[in-house]
Amino acid sequence: RKEVEQDPGPFNVPEGATVAFNCTYSNSASQSFFWYRQDCRKEPKLLMSVYSSGNEDGRFTAQLNRASQYISLLIRDSKLSDSATYLCVVPPMDSSYKLIFGSGTRLLVRP
Amino acid sequence: SAVISQKPSRDICQRGTSLTIQCQVDSQVTMMFWYRQQPGQSLTLIATANQGSEATYESGFVIDKFPISRPNLTFSTLTVSNMSPEDSSIYLCSVEDPEGDLNIQYFGAGTRLSVL
Repeated sequence: RKEVEQDPGPFNVPEGATVAFNCTYSNSASQSFFWYRQDCRKEPKLLMSVYSSGNEDGRFTAQLNRASQYISLLIRDSKLSDSATYLCVVPPMDSSYKLIFGSGTRLLVRP
Repeated sequence: SAVISQKPSRDICQRGTSLTIQCQVDSQVTMMFWYRQQPGQSLTLIATANQGSEATYESGFVIDKFPISRPNLTFSTLTVSNMSPEDSSIYLCSVEDPEGDLNIQYFGAGTRLSVL
């Protein structure tokens, strides 16, 4: 099993829709999780951190399900500008400070 | 946060040549990282560069192919040596959060490399 797995998509949704995608992780001891956003031909940027059961920031909600070892990202009222690739990131359990990136889920919001 | 200047933003190179990518940060950071991102793929860590010590390379990457310099706390270079078309990729540098969250990284805009 990969350390971090994501549905690659693409998720193609109309403007205003609610969309959610999941990320599964293999290390049950992981304590923190992150969603990064990467626009086309741009660098990844931190979107949200998840340290406990979840986190909410405006239209974006990240939820953690420790029993099933997945985190989800919910986007409400999708905007055209939400079109991007969303990368799930899990820090490793050793002290190397490396981040483990999922392969990303591509979201396309259409007018 | 951190502001990272990475250059060149893109280059087209002939096989057998080398390219050096530079990464400049607006604040002092201990950890700098170099990644490769193939088209449509996620990020693969090449190496971690600490100031004053040898870079630590990940499995599949070696110093002879990807020599790294880290002369001070705000600057690093990655050289892609003896390039082949398989080296065509996006190369990204990143730094740890200067405010201390080791789980957050900030990225440069990337270098898009094409090898003919």
